[in-house]
Amino acid sequence: GEKVEQHESTLSVREGDSAVINCTYTDTASSYFPWYKQEAGKSLHFVIDIRSNVDRKQSQRLIVLLDKKAKRFSLHITATQPEDSAIYFCAASRNSNNRIFFGDGTQLVVKP
Amino acid sequence: AQTIHQWPVAEIKAVGSPLSLGCTIKGKSSPNLYWYWQATGGTLQQLFYSITVGQVESVVQLNLSASRPKDDQFILSTEKLLLSHSGFYLCAWGGQISNERLFFGHGTKLSVL
Repeated sequence: GEKVEQHESTLSVREGDSAVINCTYTDTASSYFPWYKQEAGKSLHFVIDIRSNVDRKQSQRLIVLLDKKAKRFSLHITATQPEDSAIYFCAASRNSNNRIFFGDGTQLVVKP
Repeated sequence: AQTIHQWPVAEIKAVGSPLSLGCTIKGKSSPNLYWYWQATGGTLQQLFYSITVGQVESVVQLNLSASRPKDDQFILSTEKLLLSHSGFYLCAWGGQISNERLFFGHGTKLSVL
Protein backbone atom coordinates (compact mmCIF):
# COMPACT_ATOMS: atom_id res chain seq x y z
CA GLY A 1 0.00 0.00 0.00
CA GLU A 2 0.84 3.67 -0.05
CA LYS A 3 3.46 5.01 2.33
CA VAL A 4 3.76 8.73 2.96
CA GLU A 5 6.91 10.00 4.61
CA GLN A 6 7.38 13.39 6.12
CA HIS A 7 11.02 14.23 6.26
CA GLU A 8 11.12 16.83 8.98
CA SER A 9 9.76 15.79 12.33
CA THR A 10 10.44 19.25 13.74
CA LEU A 11 11.18 22.55 12.07
CA SER A 12 12.06 25.80 13.78
CA VAL A 13 12.07 29.13 11.96
CA ARG A 14 12.16 32.79 12.86
CA GLU A 15 9.07 34.89 12.38
CA GLY A 16 9.02 36.30 8.88
CA ASP A 17 11.19 33.54 7.42
CA SER A 18 9.87 30.81 5.13
CA ALA A 19 9.25 27.24 6.23
CA VAL A 20 9.33 24.21 3.94
CA ILE A 21 7.95 20.79 4.80
CA ASN A 22 8.69 17.91 2.49
CA CYS A 23 6.81 14.68 1.89
CA THR A 24 7.34 11.70 -0.36
CA TYR A 25 4.92 9.00 -1.37
CA THR A 26 5.26 5.57 -2.94
CA ASP A 27 2.04 4.91 -4.87
CA THR A 28 2.27 6.26 -8.40
CA ALA A 29 -1.52 6.12 -8.60
CA SER A 30 -1.93 8.71 -5.83
CA SER A 31 -3.50 11.82 -7.28
CA TYR A 32 -4.65 13.97 -4.38
CA PHE A 33 -2.35 15.55 -1.80
CA PRO A 34 -3.92 17.56 1.03
CA TRP A 35 -2.24 19.24 3.98
CA TYR A 36 -3.74 19.57 7.44
CA LYS A 37 -2.79 21.62 10.46
CA GLN A 38 -3.16 20.50 14.07
CA GLU A 39 -2.73 23.03 16.85
CA ALA A 40 -1.80 21.80 20.31
CA GLY A 41 -4.55 19.71 21.85
CA LYS A 42 -6.90 20.28 18.95
CA SER A 43 -8.22 18.47 15.94
CA LEU A 44 -7.04 18.75 12.36
CA HIS A 45 -8.17 21.28 9.87
CA PHE A 46 -7.52 21.50 6.19
CA VAL A 47 -5.07 24.11 4.92
CA ILE A 48 -4.38 23.47 1.24
CA ASP A 49 -4.33 20.68 -1.32
CA ILE A 50 -2.97 19.89 -4.76
CA ARG A 51 -4.08 17.44 -7.41
CA SER A 52 -1.86 15.56 -9.79
CA ASN A 53 -2.93 17.57 -12.83
CA VAL A 54 -0.96 20.60 -11.59
CA ASP A 55 2.47 21.05 -10.09
CA ARG A 56 1.95 24.25 -8.12
CA LYS A 57 -0.82 25.81 -6.12
CA GLN A 58 -0.85 28.92 -3.98
CA SER A 59 -3.27 30.20 -1.39
CA GLN A 60 -2.10 33.43 0.21
CA ARG A 61 1.10 32.57 2.13
CA LEU A 62 0.86 28.85 1.39
CA ILE A 63 2.41 27.23 -1.67
CA VAL A 64 2.27 23.54 -2.50
CA LEU A 65 4.60 22.01 -5.05
CA LEU A 66 4.20 18.57 -6.58
CA ASP A 67 6.91 16.63 -8.41
CA LYS A 68 5.25 13.49 -9.75
CA LYS A 69 8.42 12.06 -11.20
CA ALA A 70 10.16 12.19 -7.85
CA LYS A 71 6.93 11.35 -5.99
CA ARG A 72 7.51 14.33 -3.78
CA PHE A 73 5.40 17.24 -2.63
CA SER A 74 6.10 20.11 -0.33
CA LEU A 75 4.40 22.84 1.65
CA HIS A 76 5.97 26.27 1.67
CA ILE A 77 4.80 28.79 4.23
CA THR A 78 6.09 32.27 3.47
CA ALA A 79 6.38 35.18 5.91
CA THR A 80 5.73 32.88 8.85
CA GLN A 81 3.85 34.13 11.88
CA PRO A 82 3.72 32.72 15.44
CA GLU A 83 0.18 31.47 14.79
CA ASP A 84 1.59 29.19 12.08
CA SER A 85 3.12 27.11 14.89
CA ALA A 86 1.43 23.71 14.81
CA ILE A 87 1.86 20.17 13.57
CA TYR A 88 1.41 19.88 9.82
CA PHE A 89 0.37 16.59 8.22
CA CYS A 90 0.68 15.75 4.58
CA ALA A 91 -1.51 13.06 3.04
CA ALA A 92 -2.01 11.22 -0.21
CA SER A 93 -4.84 9.27 -1.77
CA ARG A 94 -5.88 7.72 -5.04
CA ASN A 95 -8.79 8.83 -7.12
CA SER A 96 -10.53 5.52 -6.81
CA ASN A 97 -10.95 4.70 -3.17
CA ASN A 98 -11.38 6.08 0.31
CA ARG A 99 -7.99 5.21 1.70
CA ILE A 100 -6.16 8.32 2.80
CA PHE A 101 -2.59 7.95 4.00
CA PHE A 102 -1.00 10.48 6.32
CA GLY A 103 2.59 11.33 7.04
CA ASP A 104 3.84 11.35 10.62
CA GLY A 105 3.54 15.11 11.00
CA THR A 106 6.00 17.99 11.25
CA GLN A 107 6.06 20.17 14.35
CA LEU A 108 6.61 23.72 13.11
CA VAL A 109 7.77 26.27 15.67
CA VAL A 110 7.83 29.91 14.64
CA LYS A 111 9.91 31.97 17.04
CA PRO A 112 9.04 35.64 17.47
CA ALA B 1 -23.32 25.10 6.91
CA GLN B 2 -22.14 21.64 7.79
CA THR B 3 -21.23 20.76 11.35
CA ILE B 4 -19.62 17.71 12.86
CA HIS B 5 -20.06 16.84 16.51
CA GLN B 6 -18.13 14.14 18.32
CA TRP B 7 -18.95 12.69 21.70
CA PRO B 8 -17.70 12.39 24.32
CA VAL B 9 -14.91 14.93 24.41
CA ALA B 10 -12.86 12.72 26.72
CA GLU B 11 -13.14 9.33 28.39
CA ILE B 12 -11.19 7.54 31.08
CA LYS B 13 -11.95 3.82 30.99
CA ALA B 14 -10.68 0.64 32.59
CA VAL B 15 -9.01 -2.14 30.62
CA GLY B 16 -11.61 -4.69 29.64
CA SER B 17 -14.53 -2.27 29.76
CA PRO B 18 -16.73 -1.48 26.74
CA LEU B 19 -16.53 1.72 24.70
CA SER B 20 -18.79 3.64 22.39
CA LEU B 21 -17.76 6.84 20.61
CA GLY B 22 -19.93 8.71 18.19
CA CYS B 23 -20.13 11.49 15.72
CA THR B 24 -22.97 13.26 13.99
CA ILE B 25 -22.79 15.31 10.82
CA LYS B 26 -25.42 17.92 10.13
CA GLY B 27 -26.04 19.81 6.94
CA LYS B 28 -24.49 17.31 4.55
CA SER B 29 -26.44 14.60 2.80
CA SER B 30 -24.80 11.18 2.37
CA PRO B 31 -21.28 12.15 3.40
CA ASN B 32 -18.38 9.73 3.34
CA LEU B 33 -17.41 9.13 6.96
CA TYR B 34 -14.09 8.18 8.50
CA TRP B 35 -12.62 7.15 11.84
CA TYR B 36 -9.00 7.91 12.59
CA TRP B 37 -6.85 7.07 15.59
CA GLN B 38 -3.89 9.15 16.69
CA ALA B 39 -1.48 7.87 19.31
CA THR B 40 -0.25 10.59 21.64
CA GLY B 41 1.92 12.91 19.55
CA GLY B 42 1.76 10.43 16.73
CA THR B 43 0.59 9.83 13.22
CA LEU B 44 -2.96 9.27 12.06
CA GLN B 45 -4.15 5.77 11.36
CA GLN B 46 -7.31 5.35 9.34
CA LEU B 47 -9.55 2.79 11.07
CA PHE B 48 -12.81 2.67 9.12
CA TYR B 49 -14.70 4.42 6.41
CA SER B 50 -18.29 4.38 5.26
CA ILE B 51 -19.83 5.62 2.05
CA THR B 52 -23.43 4.77 2.87
CA VAL B 53 -25.78 3.81 5.69
CA GLY B 54 -25.21 0.32 6.98
CA GLN B 55 -21.96 -0.14 5.10
CA VAL B 56 -18.59 0.13 6.85
CA GLU B 57 -15.17 -0.86 5.55
CA SER B 58 -12.41 -1.77 7.97
CA VAL B 59 -8.92 -0.53 7.23
CA VAL B 60 -7.00 -1.94 10.19
CA GLN B 61 -7.86 -4.48 12.82
CA LEU B 62 -7.46 -2.97 16.25
CA ASN B 63 -10.15 -4.89 18.09
CA LEU B 64 -12.61 -2.13 17.26
CA SER B 65 -15.79 -2.07 15.24
CA ALA B 66 -17.76 0.68 13.58
CA SER B 67 -21.32 1.12 12.44
CA ARG B 68 -23.33 3.66 10.53
CA PRO B 69 -26.90 3.33 11.76
CA LYS B 70 -28.08 6.58 10.14
CA ASP B 71 -26.88 8.70 7.24
CA ASP B 72 -25.51 11.32 9.60
CA GLN B 73 -24.14 9.11 12.37
CA PHE B 74 -20.97 7.05 12.76
CA ILE B 75 -20.26 4.94 15.84
CA LEU B 76 -16.98 3.39 16.99
CA SER B 77 -17.10 0.71 19.64
CA THR B 78 -15.52 -2.24 21.32
CA GLU B 79 -16.67 -4.65 23.97
CA LYS B 80 -13.28 -4.92 25.64
CA LEU B 81 -10.77 -2.09 25.81
CA LEU B 82 -7.04 -2.66 25.71
CA LEU B 83 -4.32 -0.34 27.01
CA SER B 84 -3.23 0.14 23.41
CA HIS B 85 -6.57 1.76 22.58
CA SER B 86 -5.54 4.93 24.39
CA GLY B 87 -5.19 7.93 22.13
CA PHE B 88 -7.11 10.52 20.22
CA TYR B 89 -10.03 9.41 18.05
CA LEU B 90 -11.08 11.61 15.20
CA CYS B 91 -14.21 11.38 13.13
CA ALA B 92 -14.19 13.08 9.74
CA TRP B 93 -16.49 13.55 6.80
CA GLY B 94 -15.80 14.13 3.14
CA GLY B 95 -17.87 14.54 0.01
CA GLN B 96 -19.09 11.61 -2.01
CA ILE B 97 -16.48 12.25 -4.65
CA SER B 98 -13.15 10.78 -3.69
CA ASN B 99 -10.28 13.16 -3.30
CA GLU B 100 -11.92 15.96 -1.46
CA ARG B 101 -10.77 17.55 1.72
CA LEU B 102 -11.82 16.04 5.02
CA PHE B 103 -13.57 17.93 7.79
CA PHE B 104 -12.61 16.64 11.21
CA GLY B 105 -14.53 16.64 14.45
CA HIS B 106 -12.90 18.00 17.58
CA GLY B 107 -11.88 14.49 18.62
CA THR B 108 -12.25 12.26 21.66
CA LYS B 109 -9.33 11.76 23.99
CA LEU B 110 -9.42 8.22 25.36
CA SER B 111 -7.31 7.09 28.30
CA VAL B 112 -7.40 3.40 29.12
CA LEU B 113 -6.06 2.55 32.56
